[in-house]
Amino acid sequence: GQQLNQSPQSMFIQEGEDVSMNCTSSSIFNTWLWYKQDPGEGPVLLIALYKAGELTSNGRLTAQFGITRKDSFLNISASIPSDVGIYFCAGLIYGNKLVFGAGTILRVKS
Amino acid sequence: NAGVMQNPRHLVRRRGQEARLRCSPMKGHSHVYWYRQLPEEGLKFMVYLQKENIIDESGMPKERFSAEFPKEGPSILRIQQVVRGDSAAYFCASSPTGGDTQYFGPGTRLTVL
Repeated sequence: GQQLNQSPQSMFIQEGEDVSMNCTSSSIFNTWLWYKQDPGEGPVLLIALYKAGELTSNGRLTAQFGITRKDSFLNISASIPSDVGIYFCAGLIYGNKLVFGAGTILRVKS
Repeated sequence: NAGVMQNPRHLVRRRGQEARLRCSPMKGHSHVYWYRQLPEEGLKFMVYLQKENIIDESGMPKERFSAEFPKEGPSILRIQQVVRGDSAAYFCASSPTGGDTQYFGPGTRLTVL
């Protein structure tokens, strides 16, 4: 079945630093999504990418949909303490189901 | 516009009991999806429903699990004769159309004693 490989698994960063995480797959996806999940909550949509090569920003967040449609990255600029959480990439297949990566745990040193 | 609602937020059941998880999609959304998340893992797709129809249940265990989305009322995920391995967080998502972005509810955390 389809799998998404998300890296890094976890990271500590200094407040104010930029951070980058990525997701790769052996399968092609038509849509890539990035979600953030706080403890005890559901995933919250950060950015949705619909076209290969698309670069989209949402505040301090920037994400790109790889040209091969098999990868995506998410950048967070000037990290702040509230950026702590788990970030998931997800690929949408066959118009209905999402396939999720295992997540990147972000911890910020204040 | 209220988001996706799920209840209960926490549910404790003893082995052999039934668990019923409810999901009300966002207003205007007629597509509902259920996902399961084990600790420290990503979400895994279970089932995709539209009003009164199951579209894709390829992620549902073959036994004890069922889902419905009636014409009126919330979507229900039902787990019969729960076992300890069913302990997980169950998330519901909704979208306005089948190929559209999915928005998640806060989840129901099921604990089986």
